Amino acid sequence: SQELEQSPQSLIVQEGKNLTINCTSSKTLYGLYWYKQKYGEGLIFLMMLQKGGEEKSHEKITAKLDEKKQQSSLHITASQPSHAGIYLCGADVGSGNTPLVFGKGTRLSVIA
Amino acid sequence: NAGVMQNPRHLVRRRGQEARLRCSPMKGHSHVYWYRQLPEEGLKFMVYLQKENIIDESGMPKERFSAEFPKEGPSILRIQQVVRGDSAAYFCASSKRVPGQGAGANVLTFGAGSRLTVL
Repeated sequence: SQELEQSPQSLIVQEGKNLTINCTSSKTLYGLYWYKQKYGEGLIFLMMLQKGGEEKSHEKITAKLDEKKQQSSLHITASQPSHAGIYLCGADVGSGNTPLVFGKGTRLSVIA
Repeated sequence: NAGVMQNPRHLVRRRGQEARLRCSPMKGHSHVYWYRQLPEEGLKFMVYLQKENIIDESGMPKERFSAEFPKEGPSILRIQQVVRGDSAAYFCASSKRVPGQGAGANVLTFGAGSRLTVL
């Protein structure tokens, strides 16, 4: 079974609109990481969240961590074409030397 | 300061041939991870290595796949006798610290990936 579920799987929004992507873990979260991937390229690190209730922002992207719900959300305000890509959440789900596990990703398209 | 370098970016092999994918971690990083990305399946962990040691290979198929990270030179993911199902993008990532130990320990820097196509 998938340890990290992302929703929605894909999203098409009009430029200027806000959007939210969710990531839910079936296991206890020790850390949550958001990455962005453009088609044919590698993953770019966006943000890391480690404490319950933590919220971080970078430009127009805000991520929050709800530790109790084992869930994180990524919110983009006033979307632009440059926001298009695949957003992946990665998580620490083990307390030991466990590499990150990733969700399947959310494919975002922004149309003019 | 170059990031994680992977080569080749694209590799085409016929069934039964061998594929070798190389990864040079970011300067100062001693931990290397290999992930495989298949359409609709997301990014799957394969193997985690430190210099000369395999730490975790729980995600790597037992047959035909092997990985190394020698004292000198890049990390290599080797796939012997490739089959069509091996066609995928293979990503390498590196980090400074041991996973789970210290804030940001799992902030991975990814390479651009190597795309393997098996004919």
